[in-house]
Amino acid sequence: QSALTQPASVSGSPGQSVTISCTGSSSDIGAYNYVSWYQQHPGNAPKIIISDVSTRPSGVSSRFSGSKSGNTASLTISGLRTEDEADYYCSSYTSSTTLIFGGGTKLTVL
Amino acid sequence: HLVESGGGLVTPGGSLRISCAASGFTFSGYYMTWVRQAPGKGLEWVSYISGSGSNTNFADSVKGRFTISRDNTMNTLFLQMNSLRAEDTGVYYCARDVTAVAVTGTFDIWGQGTMVTVSS
Repeated sequence: QSALTQPASVSGSPGQSVTISCTGSSSDIGAYNYVSWYQQHPGNAPKIIISDVSTRPSGVSSRFSGSKSGNTASLTISGLRTEDEADYYCSSYTSSTTLIFGGGTKLTVL
Repeated sequence: HLVESGGGLVTPGGSLRISCAASGFTFSGYYMTWVRQAPGKGLEWVSYISGSGSNTNFADSVKGRFTISRDNTMNTLFLQMNSLRAEDTGVYYCARDVTAVAVTGTFDIWGQGTMVTVSS
């Protein structure tokens, strides 16, 4: 199964908002609310920032929010900070009872 | 807390078993998964296993070559990798799913990863 589709890169200035999209199909994102988002800084393991489409785990900043419409999920980061510069990955459960990640998006804070 | 070990250099066609030692939670109560990341590339889900070990699944790219298992008495997760290929090279992370009853793909605890290099 091909990876979920994410833009390769996005950028924004400190204080601005950016949105990262994650497009799948009716067999994954469109069928389940098991959509998660992970943040990965270079050399580190991924960290979960959004689960179940829009739930923020304890300790994750409220500047991170998630949503879904049809086969596309989105991650919005508001009030950009330099420390938000990282790679972001979406993931979803699939109808084949497997899991799938997006290709990843590199966020640059200008 | 998760700590992977066992990575290293292996020749194509060879085998390797990597481990993930868990602590600080009731290991048998959670689905566990392996996720890998090729150098400079994105994350790829590899395999998951239920808390009891009775339910497993694999990505098509490793099906038939990799086996996942766990020893709940030793709080350890394993990935046995056979018929290794160059494209299996990468950092292998173990991660904990948030639930015990079903896999969700929500991984709240990750290890630091272990590097596997397949090369002649």
